[in-house]
Amino acid sequence: EAQVTQNPRYLITVTGKKLTVTCSQNMNHEYMSWYRQDPGLGLRQIYYSMNVEVTDKGDVPEGYKVSRKEKRNFPLILESPSPNQTSLYFCASSLSGPTDTQYFGPGTRLTVL
Amino acid sequence: AQSVTQLDSQVPVFEEAPVELRCNYSSSVSVYLFWYVQYPNQGLQLLLKYLSGSTLVKGINGFEAEFNKSQTSFHLRKPSVHISDTAEYFCAVSDYGQNFVFGPGTRLSVLP
Repeated sequence: EAQVTQNPRYLITVTGKKLTVTCSQNMNHEYMSWYRQDPGLGLRQIYYSMNVEVTDKGDVPEGYKVSRKEKRNFPLILESPSPNQTSLYFCASSLSGPTDTQYFGPGTRLTVL
Repeated sequence: AQSVTQLDSQVPVFEEAPVELRCNYSSSVSVYLFWYVQYPNQGLQLLLKYLSGSTLVKGINGFEAEFNKSQTSFHLRKPSVHISDTAEYFCAVSDYGQNFVFGPGTRLSVLP
């Protein structure tokens, strides 16, 4: 089954404790992206990647890192999480760019205390 | 920079009534336009998109949208809604680059 998976689905952590949210797709897609969803703000793009070893900042990259060492994986790293990063995070992938249909993962709900 | 405005944060409508969800965008270049839907506790899925050609775009589940360049709008419509259409709807824009901007969303509630 074609899908985007994220782990963990739920995470509660404390300020400053490094964490990684994994994202994996099995559709051989070139484009992958991370978004955060906050009430009243919709989804905002954090980082995106056009292909392996090619990443770029979205609208809200501060406090986040990403890497794309393999085509299927696109982890989101929070080196020193803060409470304002409490949010619902979605990973998405598409064939070659954002104008292709983006397939979204189920979301990761992160709470930073 | 691009931006998307969805004027209505919530739209209640009775079952079998028509609905229109409004979307306006701003961009200094030509854009691609999208509507995505998020059902409760799920990720997003594509409803329809405008890339070029006919300004009336038909999507899944009976939805359609019309691109109006002069008014910079891309309103979503359905002639008769069903309870199962209850969800949050996001308009989005992408320019010829690689980034992607969503609007704040409109929560559609279909009432029996």
